[in-house]
Amino acid sequence: GAVVSQHPSWVICKSGTSVKIECRSLDFQATTMFWYRQFPKQSLMLMATSNEGSKATYEQGVEKDKFLINHASLTLSTLTVTSAHPEDSSFYICSAIAGVAYNEQFFGPGTRLTVL
Amino acid sequence: QKEVEQNSGPLSVPEGAIASLNCTYSDRGSQSFFWYRQYSGKSPELIMFIYSNGDKEDGRFTAQLNKASQYVSLLIRDSQPSDSATYLCAVNSGTYKYIFGTGTRLKVLA
Repeated sequence: GAVVSQHPSWVICKSGTSVKIECRSLDFQATTMFWYRQFPKQSLMLMATSNEGSKATYEQGVEKDKFLINHASLTLSTLTVTSAHPEDSSFYICSAIAGVAYNEQFFGPGTRLTVL
Repeated sequence: QKEVEQNSGPLSVPEGAIASLNCTYSDRGSQSFFWYRQYSGKSPELIMFIYSNGDKEDGRFTAQLNKASQYVSLLIRDSQPSDSATYLCAVNSGTYKYIFGTGTRLKVLA
């Protein structure tokens, strides 16, 4: 299957700082990537859909000025959590569409963010 | 509102048995259906997808789709303790529009 990487795998930061998470498709080009957030023992929550070369589409209730998404190339999308606060602590997961016919979605390994 | 529903479980089965995981969806226009496995603390991993009515087999896994009943299932034969995880059903209901169920937690007892 297609491989999606994320960096860093975990990060600890102080409240008020910004954190950037990278998502890369390693062996395919991804015109569309997704960003999810998952709190412990809860289901995946879609935050936004990232399209190469255009602005991201955010889900209702997700602050676009707080969660900045940049899909600068066909293999890289970044999520920046600006002015992070403890309530932003979560597991952030990206995914990319790799399938040609049926649009299979492949997930990165996730980034665990802890804001102190 | 388009929905995908799964029983949250836990579903407990003995080692070697068949585990049956079920999912229903509300959008009749849905085109493709996916099963993911998620271990605790890890990201989801694609197990298989199905797009036409009937069964699709891949090793110990069989996906079953019934579009008339808006029902998709995953069977795991010869269940192993390593299969213990949360299984997510996802439905593609439009161009790059995916809806995930909340997942069924499976426990395979040794």
